[in-house]
Amino acid sequence: DGGITQSPKYLFRKEGQNVTLSCEQNLNHDAMYWYRQDPGQGLRLIYYSQIVNDFQKGDIAEGYSVSREKKESFPLTVTSAQKNPTAFYLCASNQGRQDEQFFGPGTRLTVL
Amino acid sequence: QQQVKQSPQSLIVQKGGISIINCAYENTAFDYFPWYQQFPGKGPALLIAIRPDVSEKKEGRFTISFNKSAKQFSLHIMDSQPGDSATYFCAVSDHGNNRLAFGKGNQVVVIP
Repeated sequence: DGGITQSPKYLFRKEGQNVTLSCEQNLNHDAMYWYRQDPGQGLRLIYYSQIVNDFQKGDIAEGYSVSREKKESFPLTVTSAQKNPTAFYLCASNQGRQDEQFFGPGTRLTVL
Repeated sequence: QQQVKQSPQSLIVQKGGISIINCAYENTAFDYFPWYQQFPGKGPALLIAIRPDVSEKKEGRFTISFNKSAKQFSLHIMDSQPGDSATYFCAVSDHGNNRLAFGKGNQVVVIP
């Protein structure tokens, strides 16, 4: 089955700790994205990558970091510098410009 | 700055009725207008999309109407069913950009 997997589904973190969210796709897509979703705020773009070893900041990149060492993987690290990290995080991918973005099932991060 | 504005924020419709949700944008460079559907706890999925060379596109019970001069597009759900209860996001992008800018979402509830 082709698709996007995100793990874990739920994640709890203490304040001051970094945490890494996993995103893997087997769709052979070039582009991958990370969004943050808060109630009533829609989807806000954190980082995106159009090709391996390259990525760009989205609208709310502060306090986050990413890497794109392999085509199928795009992990997101939420650092201790992120002031309000509790949110639902969504990973997506697509083949190219304006193609359908396919989303993973999301990771719900809660900071205790 | 929100690049696309959705209305109404929430909508309650009787089963069999028509749900209509709207999006407005400012940037005339946008040329791709998708609607995504999201169920609670899941990632969004593409429902239907339109480009500005047509004024209407229909897929089953879902129709996009596009008004280029008014810079608005809307989603019509005909014969609404309880299974259509979800949050709907419109998005915009321009040809030179692989990014989508999402609206804040419309929650649609279809009551039996």
